[in-house]
Amino acid sequence: DQQVKQNSPSLSVQEGRISILNCDYTNSMFDYFLWYKKYPAEGPTFLISISSIKDKNEDGRFTVFLNKSAKHLSLHIVPSQPGDSAVYFCATQYNFNKFYFGSGTKLNVKP
Amino acid sequence: DSGVTQTPKHLITATGQRVTLRCSPRSGDLSVYWYQQSLDQGLQFLIQYYNGEERAKGNILERFSAQQFPDLHSELNLSSLELGDSALYFCASSAGTSGYNEQFFGPGTRLTVL
Repeated sequence: DQQVKQNSPSLSVQEGRISILNCDYTNSMFDYFLWYKKYPAEGPTFLISISSIKDKNEDGRFTVFLNKSAKHLSLHIVPSQPGDSAVYFCATQYNFNKFYFGSGTKLNVKP
Repeated sequence: DSGVTQTPKHLITATGQRVTLRCSPRSGDLSVYWYQQSLDQGLQFLIQYYNGEERAKGNILERFSAQQFPDLHSELNLSSLELGDSALYFCASSAGTSGYNEQFFGPGTRLTVL
């Protein structure tokens, strides 16, 4: 029973273009969402987060959008760089003690 | 470098055996989390400890147990191992107790059960 779903296992984008990674969740009670980036042989690292009271949060080239009615969030990377090639996980937490991660989307940014 | 260390890096063992994975959190972090990542799966939250006490439980099997010691390092014990327990096990730490704090992940321990 996946509470958080990333339906695209992989995404390939040209350098300089926009990368859009998507995530869907099931529980409308989830109130905090995070994106993590993972390089091979390393643990995930925090990228950006958003609270459910917002619909957008921006940090440099990274913007996360939250659509609560659709239970959908997305991560936009503009412009994409080869160093952004990694696996991206969306995650959420609920009730202070439930943590759910998606299965990840592998982003490949081609030079 | 996240500041979270995990040992060992790799572990190969046989079915039915018991292993212990170790995690040292970032300096000053009181919360430790354990996650399991099986092949092509997302991270499954197993358990969280805060300052030595169990704080939250996820999909942790009864064959698995964890503890956090007074020096805040944590150990995840896996017993009666099965082939399906082969996975990457990540430890993470954070300053606070809730998911509103970003978690800092270690590099993981890859467990292979033969």
